[in-house]
Amino acid sequence: LAKTTQPISMDSYEGQEVNITCSHNNIATNDYITWYQQFPSQGPRFIIQGYKTKVTNEVASLFIPADRKSSTLSLPRVSLSDTAVYYCLVGVRRSNDYKLSFGAGTTVTVRA
Amino acid sequence: GAVVSQHPSWVICKSGTSVKIECRSLDFQATTMFWYRQFPKQSLMLMATSNEGSKATYEQGVEKDKFLINHASLTLSTLTVTSAHPEDSSFYICSAGEGGGYTFGSGTRLTVV
Repeated sequence: LAKTTQPISMDSYEGQEVNITCSHNNIATNDYITWYQQFPSQGPRFIIQGYKTKVTNEVASLFIPADRKSSTLSLPRVSLSDTAVYYCLVGVRRSNDYKLSFGAGTTVTVRA
Repeated sequence: GAVVSQHPSWVICKSGTSVKIECRSLDFQATTMFWYRQFPKQSLMLMATSNEGSKATYEQGVEKDKFLINHASLTLSTLTVTSAHPEDSSFYICSAGEGGGYTFGSGTRLTVV
């Protein structure tokens, strides 16, 4: 399982863009990069997934450089409700029996 | 989208008793489900992989006789914490994969008193 490294915490203010970078130096060729969000006392929620270059959906963008050894989750114009823990995971996308290994995650705190 | 339902949301039990937690995939079939445990301020730790129709596989250090897993159908996996003790108090979360993504249940807060 590819190991991931993220900052432990990040602080931001409402309306700002938050960028969280995750390092995954040992990512395998078949691995996808997936980000999850977790609020206290809730299960993680899928945010975005990508393999290379850039992926964008209605809540976030994911930037992946050519070497795929890192990725950056971008949250545009955060609000107080974006305060949560964000996890970066790598694994095989199409295998539903692939075990997900969670790192420490990044606690994002958004202030008014 | 895929929905995983977990029940109960919270449970308080006496030390020495057993507690069963259910995990259901509501709109898809899941041959494989996963069980995690999360202590306060910590990340999720994978406990076991639940396989429909066969024995679960446990991660190193997880007592299989204490955490009984049954995956009798394609939509239901159960985790039973047997002879629970206060140190088993934790947040238990299940997940299932579908279409290349993983969906998590809302979690079960277990408190053993």
